[in-house]
Amino acid sequence: EAQVTQNPRYLITVTGKKLTVTCSQNMNHEYMSWYRQDPGLGLRQIYYSMNVEVTDKGDVPEGYKVSRKEKRNFPLILESPSPNQTSLYFCASSLSWPTDTQYFGPGTRLTVL
Amino acid sequence: GENVEQHPSTLSVQEGDSAVIKCTYSDSASNYFPWYKQELGKGPQLIIDIRSNVGEKKDQRIAVTLNKTAKHFSLHITETQPEDSAVYFCAAPKGSGYSTLTFGKGTMLLVSP
Repeated sequence: EAQVTQNPRYLITVTGKKLTVTCSQNMNHEYMSWYRQDPGLGLRQIYYSMNVEVTDKGDVPEGYKVSRKEKRNFPLILESPSPNQTSLYFCASSLSWPTDTQYFGPGTRLTVL
Repeated sequence: GENVEQHPSTLSVQEGDSAVIKCTYSDSASNYFPWYKQELGKGPQLIIDIRSNVGEKKDQRIAVTLNKTAKHFSLHITETQPEDSAVYFCAAPKGSGYSTLTFGKGTMLLVSP
């Protein structure tokens, strides 16, 4: 089944404890991105990647890191999480461009205490 | 950069009524306008999109219209059903070479039986 998977789905952590949210797609897509969703603010892009080893900042990159070592994986890293990073996170992928259909993962709900 | 405004933020209709959600954008050169539907507990899913060389596109009960002169596009849902209840997001391309999408803040549609 063609899909985008994220892990974990739910995570409660404490301020400053490094964490990684994994994202993987099995559709051979070039383009991948991370969004955060907050009430009243909609979907805001954190980082995106046009292809392997090419990443760029979205609208809200502060406090996040990404890497794209393989085409299928695009992990999101929070080196020192803070409470303002409590949010619902979505990974998405598309064939080669953001104007291709974007396929979203199921989401990761992160709480930072 | 591109700015997308979406209205209304919430919309309540009776089953069988029509629903209309409108988005305005700022970049007159934008050429791709998707609509995503997010059901409770899931990631957004593309339901329809339109490119700037057409003014309207229909898919069964849903349609999207585009007015490039006024820089707005709208989602129309006819004969609404309870399963249409969800959050709907519009989007438009932005960034260098339109390398990202910017999303509206979303509309929560509630269809009452």
